[in-house]
Amino acid sequence: SSALTQDPAVSVALGQTVRITCQGDSLRVYYASWYQVKPGQAPVLLVYGENSRPSGIPDRFSGSSSEDTASLTITGAQAEDEADYFCNSRDSSAFFASYIFGNGTKVTVL
Amino acid sequence: QVQLQQWGAGLLKPSETLSLICAVNGGSFSGDYWNWIRQSPEKGLEWIGEISQSGSINYNPSLKSRVTLSLDTSENQFSLRLSSVTAADTAVYYCARGERLGATRHFDYWGQGTRVTVSA
Repeated sequence: SSALTQDPAVSVALGQTVRITCQGDSLRVYYASWYQVKPGQAPVLLVYGENSRPSGIPDRFSGSSSEDTASLTITGAQAEDEADYFCNSRDSSAFFASYIFGNGTKVTVL
Repeated sequence: QVQLQQWGAGLLKPSETLSLICAVNGGSFSGDYWNWIRQSPEKGLEWIGEISQSGSINYNPSLKSRVTLSLDTSENQFSLRLSSVTAADTAVYYCARGERLGATRHFDYWGQGTRVTVSA
């Protein structure tokens, strides 16, 4: 199967901008979706498709994509954005529908 | 507003079968796919499989031989069975709705999670 690769950790100063990337061959074919995971809580969908957000997700979260890399940008990071972030897409190497997640990026807000 | 409520045994012995149920409130099964996803420190998030009302089922190839998914439309529930569990199956298990977007899906509603521990 394909893999989605993320940087293990990034840090950002409060109020500044951080971009989290996700790289994989499947992203040449399918959109990525992005999830925020905090300890003891279920994942939360942040961004999907070209750059759509579910109702209730702040507009400081945005997504973009180019070739085999998808990015999640947090513009004006808040203390509550400290969490793990995972990308996800359909596996383009699988004959039947199968979904893969990135290894996750831990975001620290300084 | 769709809500997913899940339950099942949280402590298993090696070789036993994991069994979880997820109830869907505030929505219907039609048009979407109903998924199981697990999270562990070792593997991060791992997709297990999905089932639709039409009977379409897809599995993670690495788990396919041990996974059974089913759906009960009369009860608005779907379920996961994972056989022959080992310590490697220790994880928090989530049910989630997979909303369709073209040929792919994103997971927009999640259950609260069930922590499953496999230990002798």
